[in-house]
Amino acid sequence: QKEVEQNSGPLSVPEGAIASLNCTYSDRVSQSFFWYRQYSGKSPELIMSIYSNGDKEDGRFTAQLNKASQYVSLLIRDSQPSDSATYLCAVLKYSSASKIIFGSGTRLSIRP
Amino acid sequence: NAGVMQNPRHLVRRRGQEARLRCSPMKGHSHVYWYRQLPEEGLKFMVYLQKENIIDESGMPKERFSAEFPKEGPSILRIQQVVRGDSAAYFCASSMDRSGSAGELFFGEGSRLTVL
Repeated sequence: QKEVEQNSGPLSVPEGAIASLNCTYSDRVSQSFFWYRQYSGKSPELIMSIYSNGDKEDGRFTAQLNKASQYVSLLIRDSQPSDSATYLCAVLKYSSASKIIFGSGTRLSIRP
Repeated sequence: NAGVMQNPRHLVRRRGQEARLRCSPMKGHSHVYWYRQLPEEGLKFMVYLQKENIIDESGMPKERFSAEFPKEGPSILRIQQVVRGDSAAYFCASSMDRSGSAGELFFGEGSRLTVL
């Protein structure tokens, strides 16, 4: 079982709709969760971080965390063509040797 | 530009040669991570370093790969005797510290290694 799992997609969403991206993780010790966006040929950039159960909103983005079910999701409201990218879920667990593990990413395509 | 600086951006090597990739973290950041990304795949963790210390190298291949982050100068990822399978984009990322903002990584533009 992969430590961080995402559906690779592609996920196709019409412009203006809500895009929903999901991620599950295997290690209950995981404590911090992140969503990164990566445009083709570019480096990843952090768009959301979430540390406690519930929802966290930032503009058109909402991150949701459910530690009991070990999943984290990202909602993008009013999707724009510029949101078309690969979205990477990342997990950090604090330990003597912390490392940040990424999922394989979900490709999102917003169709006009 | 105070961002994460990686060089070279593109590197071409023949099989058996050595590749050296450099990374200067953001100002004020003392944690450096190296990741490898193959086309259409996610980021694979390689190594996590602090100044003069390797904290976690569990993602590094046992042979030919090494990394360092000296007291002065950039972090270096070194690949000896490269093979075609080493062709990939190598991303460096830095963060501020372990608590609070740890995990909020700032990435460089990547070094794209091509092995002929």
